[in-house]
Amino acid sequence: GENVEQHPSTLSVQEGDSAVIKCTYSDSASNYFPWYKQELGKGPQLIIDIRSNVGEKKDQRIAVTLNKTAKHFSLHITETQPEDSAVYFCAASQTGFQKLVFGTGTRLLVSP
Amino acid sequence: AAGVIQSPRHLIKEKRETATLKCYPIPRHDTVYWYQQGPGQDPQFLISFYEKMQSDKGSIPDRFSAQQFSDYHSELNMSSLELGDSALYFCATTENQGGAKNIQYFGAGTRLSVL
Repeated sequence: GENVEQHPSTLSVQEGDSAVIKCTYSDSASNYFPWYKQELGKGPQLIIDIRSNVGEKKDQRIAVTLNKTAKHFSLHITETQPEDSAVYFCAASQTGFQKLVFGTGTRLLVSP
Repeated sequence: AAGVIQSPRHLIKEKRETATLKCYPIPRHDTVYWYQQGPGQDPQFLISFYEKMQSDKGSIPDRFSAQQFSDYHSELNMSSLELGDSALYFCATTENQGGAKNIQYFGAGTRLSVL
């Protein structure tokens, strides 16, 4: 089955810096890669996603890149703000309709 | 906009008791997924339903069962509770778009504590 690894487990940055979180997956059949942000006591919230026919996607301060050959994808957050502080999970799925397999999470702390 | 509703938000049970968690999808969503998240861990897939039929099964104990009803809401039934069942239980829902991208929207979760 699919296995998703995520690094780093914790990431501390200063406000205004960039943050990068990386994930690798094992199943070449995976084609859908969402990123979720989870704040304390809340459910995961989708922040951006990418499908395997696209190499990069950007939404304001957030971007995701995908290297399907190497089976890795990354989340890039620019101009970080304290409200970006949360746990971020990457995930992989064959279609998005099928189950999500999550990475182990990255706790991002943005200091003012 | 309407979101995924889960109830109850918190549940405290004794060992060997039973618990029922409920999930109400976003309108028009026909697919429900259940995930279990232990402390400091990532969500783990338990089971999913599409159009009231089980569509996939993950690492769900035999003590757990689930179903999806005609109004598309779903219930996760947990029996003979163990201390290790203490976790956050999330449901996520989506509308099956027949091969197009499906986004799973998560509820706020039910925090189950087994004492």
